[in-house]
Amino acid sequence: DTAVSQTPKYLVTQMGNDKSIKCEQNLGHDTMYWYKQDSKKFLKIMFSYNNKELIINETVPNRFSPKSPDKAHLNLHINSLELGDSAVYFCASSRRVLGGGNTIYFGEGSWLTVV
Amino acid sequence: ELKVEQNPLFLSMQEGKNYTIYCNYSTTSDRLYWYRQDPGKSLESLFVLLSNGAVKQEGRLMASLDTKARLSTLHITAAVHDLSATYFCAVGDSGGGADGLTFGKGTHLIIQP
Repeated sequence: DTAVSQTPKYLVTQMGNDKSIKCEQNLGHDTMYWYKQDSKKFLKIMFSYNNKELIINETVPNRFSPKSPDKAHLNLHINSLELGDSAVYFCASSRRVLGGGNTIYFGEGSWLTVV
Repeated sequence: ELKVEQNPLFLSMQEGKNYTIYCNYSTTSDRLYWYRQDPGKSLESLFVLLSNGAVKQEGRLMASLDTKARLSTLHITAAVHDLSATYFCAVGDSGGGADGLTFGKGTHLIIQP
C-alpha cells in the first residue's frame, strides 16, 4: 500500500484552466505538505497544514489553495493556470514530534504541464 | 530566511572511489535530512540527523552533522553505479515541523563503471 498517494500522476492542461491534485496519506500523520519541484529540480515548500493551522509560504500565489476535508487528505487547487506553474508537485506527510526528528514521507509526485 | 547550500551540484565519479557531499545552512536548526531522488521518482528518506555530532550509516552512505558549523556531510564509500541519483539535504525549523523543510539545490551524482 502506498503511504502517500497523489492523483493524477500526469496532467496536461491549457492556460487559464482550474485544476486540482488530490493527496491522501494512510500513515496516521497529523501534518501534510505540498512542495513544488521546478525544471531545475529545486524543491520549495508551498504549504504545510495540520488540523489546527495552515502555514503558507508567502511566495506562493493566491491562485494556489490547499483544501483538507480531513486529516488524511490535503488537496491542491490551482486557479487560472499559467505556463510557469508547470512543475512536479509533491505531497508529503509527517507526524509532529516534540523536539523534531519526524521523517517526512513524500508521494510519487504529480507532473503538471500547462500549455 | 533559512538558506541551504549544497556542493557540489554535479559530481561524476568512478566506481570504487570515495567522495563527500557538503551541506551548509544559515540558521539554527534541530533537524537535518538527506533524501535521494531517482529520475522521475519521488524522494526517498535516507537519514534524519538531530543532534550535534550525530553520525548515521546505511550501506555505503554515511551522514554526519555539526550543528556548530551548521554543516552536514554525506560520505560515499567505494561508490557503485546503483548510487547514481540526485541527493538533497534539507533543514527543518526548530518548531516541531509544521512549516516543512528547506531544501538544498541537490547534488546530481553520476557513478561510472
